Amino acid sequence: DTEVTQTPKHLVMGMTNKKSLKCEQHMGHRAMYWYKQKAKKPPELMFVYSYEKLSINESVPSRFSPECPNSSLLNLHLHALQPEDSALYLCASSQVPQGGSPLHFGNGTRLTVT
Amino acid sequence: DAKTTQPPSMDCAEGRAANLPCNHSTISGNEYVYWYRQIHSQGPQYIIHGLKNNETNEMASLIITEDRKSSTLILPHATLRDTAVYYCIVRVARRGNMLTFGGGTRLMVKP
Repeated sequence: DTEVTQTPKHLVMGMTNKKSLKCEQHMGHRAMYWYKQKAKKPPELMFVYSYEKLSINESVPSRFSPECPNSSLLNLHLHALQPEDSALYLCASSQVPQGGSPLHFGNGTRLTVT
Repeated sequence: DAKTTQPPSMDCAEGRAANLPCNHSTISGNEYVYWYRQIHSQGPQYIIHGLKNNETNEMASLIITEDRKSSTLILPHATLRDTAVYYCIVRVARRGNMLTFGGGTRLMVKP
């Protein structure tokens, strides 16, 4: 079991749909992360939130829009995605943004874009 | 962050120790070595990290060479549930906790 909960576990969406991925943690962590993982590849960083503010955007296309409504929640809003955006989307959190504290990952949302 | 090199795959017999090597010859003095693993269909899981000294926790041991250019993750009694991709990551702690994953080692524990 993981302390970072991601919903839904699976999502199929068309290219014209709008959907959202949700991530929740109740460990009091103040940094949260979105990663994208294609099949048989390592995870790649997309966004970092530090104290509910976006601190890093790894040049992610604007069809991916992150949101951090409060310190426990992280959303990823999806709009006009392409089939190549199909991947496992992983959320993670750490106690603070710096200092070396480990990341805790959820089990991801497997997204298929048709 | 320093680059790491890991073998793409390894096998280990169940009950035996699994020794996973990682080369990080360009590591600098303030960079830590982190190990994570990813079991199929799950998110990555933190295992252990260290700077210079060897470290041990309930999951594994981390042995770092004196010159810090390489390290070994040891799973003392591998089980089938340890089958996973193991990632060795080198990073400077004060720069931020985000991780840059390399290719990792796919460890297959066999009965």
